[in-house]
Amino acid sequence: GAVVSQHPSRVICKSGTSVKIECRSLDFQATTMFWYRQFPKQSLMLMATSNEGSKATYEQGVEKDKFLINHASLTLSTLTVTSAHPEDSSFYICSARGPTYNSPLHFGNGTRLTVT
Amino acid sequence: DAKTTQPPSMDCAEGRAANLPCNHSTISGNEYVYWYRQIHSQGPQYIIHGLKNNETNEMASLIITEDRKSSTLILPHATLRDTAVYYCIVVGLKNQAGTALIFGKGTTLSVSS
Repeated sequence: GAVVSQHPSRVICKSGTSVKIECRSLDFQATTMFWYRQFPKQSLMLMATSNEGSKATYEQGVEKDKFLINHASLTLSTLTVTSAHPEDSSFYICSARGPTYNSPLHFGNGTRLTVT
Repeated sequence: DAKTTQPPSMDCAEGRAANLPCNHSTISGNEYVYWYRQIHSQGPQYIIHGLKNNETNEMASLIITEDRKSSTLILPHATLRDTAVYYCIVVGLKNQAGTALIFGKGTTLSVSS
C-alpha cells in the first residue's frame, strides 16, 4: 500500500535555530501533501497544504514565514520551522493522498520537535 | 464538510467486538465517511471508508445507516494493540488531490484483558 515516510522522527533543537522536516511518498507521486501539528492531548490541526511546484496554502493563524514549506518534487515536501521557540515544540505530521482515484490520505509517523 | 459527533471514550474487552459509533447528520450526498486511528505518538492510520454501502476489509467493517446520518466502525475481535484514538471524518471529494482531512476529537478506545 501507499507509504509516507517522515524524517526525522524526533529532533531537539535550541531556541532560535531552524529545523527541517522531510516528508516523502515512497511508492507513489503526490502533487499535494498536507502538514499537521498536534499538541499533547489534542487532535491534529491542519497547518498547510503543500503543492508541488507552487506556493503552499496556509491555514488561518499559521505564519507562512515561520513555517516554510517547499514541495520541489512529486515525492518530497519539506517543512522548515524557522527561528524555533519553545512554543513550537509539538508533533508534526505530514500526509499525502494515494495514487488512485478515491485513494485515502496516508500519514507519516510524525516528527516530535522539542525546542529548548 | 459535515461535522461528526463521537463519544469521547469507550472500553472493550480483549477478544470482543468493538463497535464505535459516529453521528454525521448533516452529511451530503457526495461526502464519504472515513475512519482513521492514531496509536500514541504515531501518525494516523487509515482504516476504512465508504459512501453508502457497508464496507469490510482486513481491519474492520463499516456500517452506514440507510439515511447516511450515522455509521459504526466494527473491530470484530479487539486486541490490546487496538487501543487508540479513533477518528470518524466526513469529507467531500470534489477535488480529490487537494482535499485535506479535518480531525475532531475522536473516540479513545481502551481494550483491556
